[in-house]
Amino acid sequence: KAGVTQTPRYLIKTRGQQVTLSCSPISGHRSVSWYQQTPGQGLQFLFEYFSETQRNKGNFPGRFSGRQFSNSRSEMNVSTLELGDSALYLCASSLVGSNEQFFGPGTRLTVL
Amino acid sequence: SQQGEEDPQALSIQEGENATMNCSYKTSINNLQWYRQNSGRGLVHLILIRSNEREKHSGRLRVTLDTSKKSSSLLITASRAADTASYFCATIGGGGNKLTFGTGTQLKVEL
Repeated sequence: KAGVTQTPRYLIKTRGQQVTLSCSPISGHRSVSWYQQTPGQGLQFLFEYFSETQRNKGNFPGRFSGRQFSNSRSEMNVSTLELGDSALYLCASSLVGSNEQFFGPGTRLTVL
Repeated sequence: SQQGEEDPQALSIQEGENATMNCSYKTSINNLQWYRQNSGRGLVHLILIRSNEREKHSGRLRVTLDTSKKSSSLLITASRAADTASYFCATIGGGGNKLTFGTGTQLKVEL
């Protein structure tokens, strides 16, 4: 079974731009979560989607948004990028009824 | 915000020795999980312990959970160089799959 895939793996953007990151979960997994990892704040939960509905949301500004499609693939969008948005963005998927999450390799975003 | 702290922040041991990492958390939980991360890559799930369990084993891993002290420990026995990584505890409380991570322990296993 293929693992969680994330595209792109690396991104360089400038302040004020927007960015869209994509995540394809493991086949059969309907829950997709997103996390931000930075040296200063560590691993922080962004949001979780299940059956195309946002089920949980972390404490991030409205510039961070996401969605999930009917095939469970998910995207997250960050608008008006700030330097502090530079981070590794991780996507994770899980089966219904399971708390074990399978992580993708991440997208490393650099904001200049 | 981080759920809790892990200690030590960094640990360096020789191959064959045991490594113990500790995690503390702040709120009530459904379960606690441990993940490993190699060099800024994705996380790999190691083990899950439910709030009504006290100890769990998986291969060379042993996890304990003390809900009265809101703490957990991860023991890696007979460590190998390949165990070099960052280790994170993470908790789930309430509904959904929102993981709240600890600060992590960087483990270095030297030959």
